[in-house]
Amino acid sequence: AQTVTQSQPEMSVQEAETVTLSCTYDTSESDYYLFWYKQPPSRQMILVIRQEAYKQQNATENRFSVNFQKAAKSFSLKISDSQLGDAAMYFCAYSTGSARQLTFGSGTQLTVLP
Amino acid sequence: DAGVIQSPRHEVTEMGQEVTLRCKPISGHNSLFWYRQTMMRGLELLIYFNNNVPIDDSGMPEDRFSAKMPNASFSTLKIQPSEPRDSAVYFCASSLAGIGSGETQYFGPGTRLLVL
Repeated sequence: AQTVTQSQPEMSVQEAETVTLSCTYDTSESDYYLFWYKQPPSRQMILVIRQEAYKQQNATENRFSVNFQKAAKSFSLKISDSQLGDAAMYFCAYSTGSARQLTFGSGTQLTVLP
Repeated sequence: DAGVIQSPRHEVTEMGQEVTLRCKPISGHNSLFWYRQTMMRGLELLIYFNNNVPIDDSGMPEDRFSAKMPNASFSTLKIQPSEPRDSAVYFCASSLAGIGSGETQYFGPGTRLLVL
């Protein structure tokens, strides 16, 4: 069974600084996909970034980037120039090419300090 | 695009009552997922459909829960009878699925259910 682990229940960062959220996963599959979702207080689940396992290049989306270490099964999210609006619960998620459903980690609550 | 639409956004009901949650996926998407989020269990997949057909309902907690997708633009999740432990946020998500691809799932705003 696939599992996703987020070992940091809470993190905080100063506005304009950089923060990295950790995620590890366990799988025997070779074809899979990794995601970071953001859940602000509104509860809406918002896709932040996506990574295909077959791609060696790390995905980036503006201030958000990932460090994908396939051999280590690690998928961390880096947020640069943190903004107050980045405060949210962040979920790491995994899906395989065949199974399709997402397996979520337990989440990391990010606080951005002014 | 309107995104995934869910209704109602909030539902308060009494134990024993029937509850129906509704979802309209993004137009053109062919996979639909129902998730439940609680503090204790986090985000759990309840059921997912591909081309309106239920593919995996192993996450449905018990016979009190049922889900249907009568057409490509509408799905329901029904709880009958409801119990206080069903209180949670229920999310619907949709994606454009293809064989062997990990499609991005887009989530609706969720329905916050409280069973008294």
